[in-house]
Amino acid sequence: EVQLVESGGGLVQPGGSLRLSCAASGFTVSNSWMHWVRQVPGKGLVWVSRINSDGSSTSYADSVKGRFTVSRDNAKNTLYLQMNSLRAEDTAVYYCARDYRFRDGDNYYFYMDVWGKGTTVTVSS
Amino acid sequence: DIQMTQSPSSLSTSVGDRVTITCRASQTISNYLNWYQQKAGKAPSLLIYAASSLQSGVPSRFSGSGSGTDFTLTISSLQPEDFATYYCQQSFSTHPLTFGGGTKVEIK
Repeated sequence: EVQLVESGGGLVQPGGSLRLSCAASGFTVSNSWMHWVRQVPGKGLVWVSRINSDGSSTSYADSVKGRFTVSRDNAKNTLYLQMNSLRAEDTAVYYCARDYRFRDGDNYYFYMDVWGKGTTVTVSS
Repeated sequence: DIQMTQSPSSLSTSVGDRVTITCRASQTISNYLNWYQQKAGKAPSLLIYAASSLQSGVPSRFSGSGSGTDFTLTISSLQPEDFATYYCQQSFSTHPLTFGGGTKVEIK
């Protein structure tokens, strides 16, 4: 069964750090682009970051750029999100998601086809 | 950034009703549009990709249409398990990826 399981969330003070993990099973993260998406309770989905299949390219939302780092450990089949200099506005449920890409003629499409259940990050003093 | 605007933000409806949710992009995105369903307390799940292609395992009462800037998600006959929040997401511009604000479908 294809599955993603996040962990590492918790309560942290402003300015602190956390590292989220996303353990994959049923597929190999090194063959997939992967994303982090967050959601403030009661609010909408917000894309945070992505990493390409070989780890050579990463991208971040402006709100987290310079503070968050996405990485992967292929041996552990796990995706990570290192979050530094945390702010109250980073409080959210964080989801990891697999990116499925395909080609249709000259067009390349992708979507997030597998999601984890999420891990909650609370930034508060 | 490409802004995605959904309407309505919420709607109250009954089992068996036909439901239509719209999503408008701030610039043309061809058919690079995905729809997700999120039930309360759960992770999102993919319904529709490339504007109109049904994800495997998704009931055929769900359909998507549109191209350019205007898109529609239709549920032909609402079932009890369809009460949820629905999000559109553009994949035309990958930085940043953007979602609509969501449409909550509630029981009347």
